[in-house]
Amino acid sequence: AQSVAQPEDQVNVAEGNPLTVKCTYSVSGNPYLFWYVQYPNRGLQFLLKYITGDNLVKGSYGFEAEFNKSQTSFHLKKPSALVSDSALYFCAVRPTNTGTASKLTFGTGTRLQVTL
Amino acid sequence: GAGVSQSPSNKVTEKGKDVELRCDPISGHTALYWYRQRLGQGLEFLIYFQGNSAPDKSGLPSDRFSAERTGESVSTLTIQRTQQEDSAVYLCASSLDRDHEQYFGPGTRLTVT
Repeated sequence: AQSVAQPEDQVNVAEGNPLTVKCTYSVSGNPYLFWYVQYPNRGLQFLLKYITGDNLVKGSYGFEAEFNKSQTSFHLKKPSALVSDSALYFCAVRPTNTGTASKLTFGTGTRLQVTL
Repeated sequence: GAGVSQSPSNKVTEKGKDVELRCDPISGHTALYWYRQRLGQGLEFLIYFQGNSAPDKSGLPSDRFSAERTGESVSTLTIQRTQQEDSAVYLCASSLDRDHEQYFGPGTRLTVT
């Protein structure tokens, strides 16, 4: 069975500093990996995805993530955090070889708090 | 263009009553998903529709839960004989197909009293 681990419930960072939100996964075969963000009282928004190709993926709002197959990780990063980045971040995975199924497994989420 | 919409945005119901939640996916999206998000927790997959294929119902927690989708449009999630543990935000998402990213609706907050 596939799974996602987000080891940190909360990450605190000062505005202007780099941020990292960690994600590791377990899946049979090659993974499709996603990051979503949930702002207060709003739905989840797609940030970025890794399907194949370059291990460094760039997404919305200046975020990027690096796929590391040997470490089964897909950490989310941003060079310079903004207070407006404060939100709940979810990592998700599904295997590429699922036949007709497409179950996306989400992590439990990491709350990012950016302060002035 | 319009995103995924869900109705109602909030629903309060008494234990034992049935509820029906609606999802309007993005036009042209063949895949549609339902998730449940309990307070302070991650997303729990419920059911997935892809075109005319048989739905993946593997995430439905009990036979009180069912969902239907009309072609590639509206979907309804029905919870019969609601229980307090059904209280959660129910999220709907759609995607172009199963290999593309999912776009989420704002959710329906269900409270069972």
